[in-house]
Amino acid sequence: QSALTQPASVSGSPGQSITISCTGTSSDVGGHDSVSWYQQYPDSAPQVIVYDVYKRPSGVSNRFSGSKSGNTASLTISGLLPDDECHYYCCSYTSTSTWVFGGGTKLTVL
Amino acid sequence: QLVQSGAEVKKPGAAVKVSCEVSGYKFTDYFMHWVRQSPGKGPEWMGLIDPEEGETIFAEKFQGRVTLIADTSADTVHMELNSLAGEDTAMYYCALGGATLMDGFDIWGQGTMVTVSS
Repeated sequence: QSALTQPASVSGSPGQSITISCTGTSSDVGGHDSVSWYQQYPDSAPQVIVYDVYKRPSGVSNRFSGSKSGNTASLTISGLLPDDECHYYCCSYTSTSTWVFGGGTKLTVL
Repeated sequence: QLVQSGAEVKKPGAAVKVSCEVSGYKFTDYFMHWVRQSPGKGPEWMGLIDPEEGETIFAEKFQGRVTLIADTSADTVHMELNSLAGEDTAMYYCALGGATLMDGFDIWGQGTMVTVSS
């Protein structure tokens, strides 16, 4: 199972919106609505910010939103804050009942 | 809450066992996943176990090299990885899944650092 494809880095200014893509295949992202997004700060475990493509756990800001089209899932962060600067990872269920992560995207808030 | 065992240093070729003790929910109700993260790299899903049935599913990369065991008497899942090599140096996490295989994992242990070095 190959890792999902994410851009290595994205950047934006405070207050702007950015979108991170996550491209897989019809066997993972395109075939299931079990796509999650994780936020990870240095020396901390990943924390889920979106699950089941677009759902947000309680306590997660509505500035984070998820969507999916075909084999590509997307995470949009609106109203960028300096504190949003960290790594973001997508993760998808697959048709072999396994899970696969994306390679990760480093968000820089300029 | 998921509490993992402490850091380990192992020699190449050895095996390592990492434990994950759960509290605050019924141990057998949810799948438990294992994820590792090498320094400077993204997370990598290793496998999962159904603590009630003991059934496991592994990523192809880890088939035959990793074992997951659920100890229902201690509400603990053990992960054993054998034939260690330098590339296995990583932080290993247990992560709580849902009641079905398609449910993601939203609560993670604190992580266990495994260092493989001669």
